[in-house]
Amino acid sequence: EAQVTQNPRYLITVTGKKLTVTCSQNMNHEYMSWYRQDPGLGLRQIYYSMNVEVTDKGDVPEGYKVSRKEKRNFPLILESPSPNQTSLYFCASSPAGSSYEQYFGPGTRLTVT
Amino acid sequence: AQSVAQPEDQVNVAEGNPLTVKCTYSVSGNPYLFWYVQYPNRGLQFLLKYITGDNLVKGSYGFEAEFNKSQTSFHLKKPSALVSDSALYFCAVRELWNTDKLIFGTGTRLQVFP
Repeated sequence: EAQVTQNPRYLITVTGKKLTVTCSQNMNHEYMSWYRQDPGLGLRQIYYSMNVEVTDKGDVPEGYKVSRKEKRNFPLILESPSPNQTSLYFCASSPAGSSYEQYFGPGTRLTVT
Repeated sequence: AQSVAQPEDQVNVAEGNPLTVKCTYSVSGNPYLFWYVQYPNRGLQFLLKYITGDNLVKGSYGFEAEFNKSQTSFHLKKPSALVSDSALYFCAVRELWNTDKLIFGTGTRLQVFP
């Protein structure tokens, strides 16, 4: 089954404790992206990757890091989480090109206390 | 800058009635427009898209959307609503250069009452 998977689905952590949210897709997509969803704000892009070893900042990159060492994986790293990073996070992938729809993972609900 | 607006936070409709969820956009050039649906505790699911061609686009679950260039709108419609259509709906436009980014509206919650 073609899908985007994320782990963990739920995470409660404390301020400053480094964490990684994994994202993997099995569709051989070039493009991958991370979004955060906050009430009243819709989804905002954090980072994106056009292909292996090619990553760039989205609209809200502060406090996040990513890497793309393999085509299928695109982990999101929070080096020192803060309460304002409490949010619902989605990973997405698509073939390269603007006409393609993106496929979304199930989401990771992160709470930072 | 490209943007998308969903003017209604919530739309209420009775089961069996037609529904419309509104979306307007602001882009330079021709837009690539998308609708996604989010059910509770689920990720976003693709419904339909407009790239070019016929202004009436048909998608999943009986939904359709009408692209109107003069009004810069891309409203989502369904002739007969189901209770199971109750969800959060997002309109999005995709950038046409280097980032391929999806720019989302703030979402509209559709509530279909029995």
